[in-house]
Amino acid sequence: KNEVEQSPQNLTAQEGEFITINCSYSVGISALHWLQQHPGGGIVSLFMLSSGKKKHGRLIATINIQEKHSSLHITASHPRDSAVYICAAFFYGGATNKLIFGTGTLLAVQP
Amino acid sequence: DTGVSQDPRHKITKRGQNVTFRCDPISEHNRLYWYRQTLGQGPEFLTYFQNEAQLEKSRLLSDRFSAERPKGSFSTLEIQRTEQGDSAMYLCASSLNGRDDEQFFGPGTRLTVL
Repeated sequence: KNEVEQSPQNLTAQEGEFITINCSYSVGISALHWLQQHPGGGIVSLFMLSSGKKKHGRLIATINIQEKHSSLHITASHPRDSAVYICAAFFYGGATNKLIFGTGTLLAVQP
Repeated sequence: DTGVSQDPRHKITKRGQNVTFRCDPISEHNRLYWYRQTLGQGPEFLTYFQNEAQLEKSRLLSDRFSAERPKGSFSTLEIQRTEQGDSAMYLCASSLNGRDDEQFFGPGTRLTVL
């Protein structure tokens, strides 16, 4: 079982819809990252959060440390939002300092 | 451009050949990470450096893999005697210090082993 689980794996939405992608992790972490990957491989960091909520434009990320769960929301989705969204948990401390990635959510927003 | 750069962007090689990839991190970043991503999967951690010291290596990093960061700036990842299973995207990322620091990713090197 992967330490970081994402759902759904695939998501198709109509332009303008509100989108939610979920991420859960099984052990304690120091930070949770949300990343965006477009075809061709380039990864862009969207958010890094260790508590509460962050907002950037139409993107909102929340995390609940007690429940070990995070969500990424996209409001008023647009076809240009189509990409793979990956959550990654950062484990820091002792001999371990690394990101553990979920398998990603492939989002397709149709016009 | 002051982001993370990787070279080459694509590499096609025959099984059994050696390949070397380079990563140039953001200049003031102390931490440098290598990840591998196969098709349809999320990236997997390979190794990371704090300045020139390699502090952690994944079990994924077999004896055929070696990474260096000799002067604490750029890093190289070498794969010896490549196998078809090594075909993947190799991603490099850097961060300022490590704890709770955002990691900035390079564009990746896509390796195809024939």
